[in-house]
Amino acid sequence: QLQLQESGSGQVKPSQTLSLTCAVSGGSISSGDFFWSWIRQPPGKALEWIGDIFQSVTTNYNPSLKSRVTISVDRSKNQFSLKLSSVTAADTAVYYCARGSSGYNALDYWGQGTLVTVSS
Amino acid sequence: DIQMTQSPSSLSASVGDRVTITCRSSQSISSYLNWYQQRPGKAPKLLIYGASNLQSGVSSRFSGSGSGTDFTLTISSLQPEDFATYYCQQTYSTGTFGQGTRVEFK
Repeated sequence: QLQLQESGSGQVKPSQTLSLTCAVSGGSISSGDFFWSWIRQPPGKALEWIGDIFQSVTTNYNPSLKSRVTISVDRSKNQFSLKLSSVTAADTAVYYCARGSSGYNALDYWGQGTLVTVSS
Repeated sequence: DIQMTQSPSSLSASVGDRVTITCRSSQSISSYLNWYQQRPGKAPKLLIYGASNLQSGVSSRFSGSGSGTDFTLTISSLQPEDFATYYCQQTYSTGTFGQGTRVEFK
């Protein structure tokens, strides 16, 4: 059974860079045609798609975040990462990692989510 | 950018009711439409992919339909565990979510 687990700093200061990692277990991040994705959800608000990476190379980002986002894969550690620069309080959210598949990039496996608070 | 609009934003229903949630995209997305259920404090769960395909392990009381710009999620007979928030997501271009529909007890 595939499992995803987010980790990283739970608190980030304004203007700094948010960094999160998603560890994948029960399967290889290098196998299959999957999109490894990041999604976030501000407290009490809707889900927001951040971006994804395909076959460790091709990235797609939300246009509203594109200038600040980097998603990468570390095959040796079977994990992928999110970096979001120049954060503000508006970036406070639960951040989820997930796998997209089935040809429609449907997000079929999710991590439990991790709360990141932007505060000085 | 493709915008996704769900309606209603919330609804009240009783166990056994038939519930319908709609999702409209700002441009045609073919069948690149997925539905998710999210219970409080939990990660979303995939229900329907490709507009009408039931995800493995999901109850058959959930069904999806539509193509182009207009889509529907139907719960045929609402069960206690179905009281949650439902999101549509287009994956035709990037991955925009709708604003969610909260299904509450009447």
